[in-house]
Amino acid sequence: RKEVEQDPGPFNVPEGATVAFNCTYSNSASQSFFWYRQDCRKEPKLLMSVYSSGNEDGRFTAQLNRASQYISLLIRDSKLSDSATYLCVVNKGRDKIIFGKGTRLHILP
Amino acid sequence: EPEVTQTPSHQVTQMGQEVILRCVPISNHLYFYWYRQILGQKVEFLVSFYNNEISEKSEIFDDQFSVERPDGSNFTLKIRSTKLEDSAMYFCASGAGRTYEQYFGPGTRLTVT
Repeated sequence: RKEVEQDPGPFNVPEGATVAFNCTYSNSASQSFFWYRQDCRKEPKLLMSVYSSGNEDGRFTAQLNRASQYISLLIRDSKLSDSATYLCVVNKGRDKIIFGKGTRLHILP
Repeated sequence: EPEVTQTPSHQVTQMGQEVILRCVPISNHLYFYWYRQILGQKVEFLVSFYNNEISEKSEIFDDQFSVERPDGSNFTLKIRSTKLEDSAMYFCASGAGRTYEQYFGPGTRLTVT
């Protein structure tokens, strides 16, 4: 099993729709989880941390399921500017984080 | 809003040469990182640095690589004897604490010819 696994997509979604991504991770000892977004040829930018109780930031909601070792990201009322690659990130050890390959999202006008 | 900066934005070097990539992390951050991303591939961890020493490194980070924090603001990645396969985007990141959120610089695109 890969350390962090994501559906590469692309997800082609009409503007205004709701879209959800999942990510699975293999290390049950992982404690820190994040979603980053990456635009083409740009740096990863932190979107949100993922907490055990789930958390919401505007149109974005992240959930963690430790038992099944997956995290999810829900985007409501999607905007054209949400088009990007969404990276699932999980810690491994003390000071190391592992990136998934990302899920590409295209918001269609 | 404070940000991580990196120089140069693009570095072209010949195979076998040494390059130094520079980063200025966010000023009150204590943890510093280097990552690389080969075109079309995922972001890969190279090394983390805390309290003036390496705290973790990946299998990629072999003797060809070294990091240094020469003063209170800069954080550098040195790649000796570059190879064609070192061509990639190199990102520096910094964080306030262990496994806290990390903030990435815009990257240095390294092209080895």
